Amino acid sequence: EAQVTQNPRYLITVTGKKLTVTCSQNMNHEYMSWYRQDPGLGLRQIYYSMNVEVTDKGDVPEGYKVSRKEKRNFPLILESPSPNQTSLYFCASATGIYEQYFGPGTRLTVT
Amino acid sequence: DQQVKQNSPSLSVQEGRISILNCDYTNSMFDYFLWYKKYPAEGPTFLISISSIKDKNEDGRFTVFLNKSAKHLSLHIVPSQPGDSAVYFCAASGVSNSGYALNFGKGTSLLVTP
Repeated sequence: EAQVTQNPRYLITVTGKKLTVTCSQNMNHEYMSWYRQDPGLGLRQIYYSMNVEVTDKGDVPEGYKVSRKEKRNFPLILESPSPNQTSLYFCASATGIYEQYFGPGTRLTVT
Repeated sequence: DQQVKQNSPSLSVQEGRISILNCDYTNSMFDYFLWYKKYPAEGPTFLISISSIKDKNEDGRFTVFLNKSAKHLSLHIVPSQPGDSAVYFCAASGVSNSGYALNFGKGTSLLVTP
């Protein structure tokens, strides 16, 4: 089954404790991306990757890092999480940049 | 600065009637537009798209209209069904200040009542 998986689905952590949210896709897509969804703000792009070892900033990259060492994986790294990073995070992948397939989401709470 | 705007946060429609969801954009470099549908506790799913060289695209009950001169697009759902109740996101793509990014609106929550 074609899918995008994210782990963990739910995470509660404390300020400053480094964390990684994993994202994996099994569709051999070149393009992968991370978004955050906040009430009243919709979906905002954090980072995207056009292919292995190629990443670029989206609209809200501050406080996040990504890496793309393999085609199927695109982890999101929060080196020092802060409460304003409490959000619902979605990973997505696509053959181009258009019809993106989204993962189920990761709800992160930073206290 | 929001480049894709959905000015109606919510919409309620009776089953069987037409639902019209609207979207405006500001960046004339956008050349591809998409609608996504999102149910609670799930990721958004792609619904329908339209290229800037077209003004209409149809897929079953869903039709997207694009008016480039007005920088406006709309999604028509006919007839509306209770299962269409979800949040609908408009998205636009093209070269922007974020490179090749997909810019989303804030979403419109559609409720279809029996």
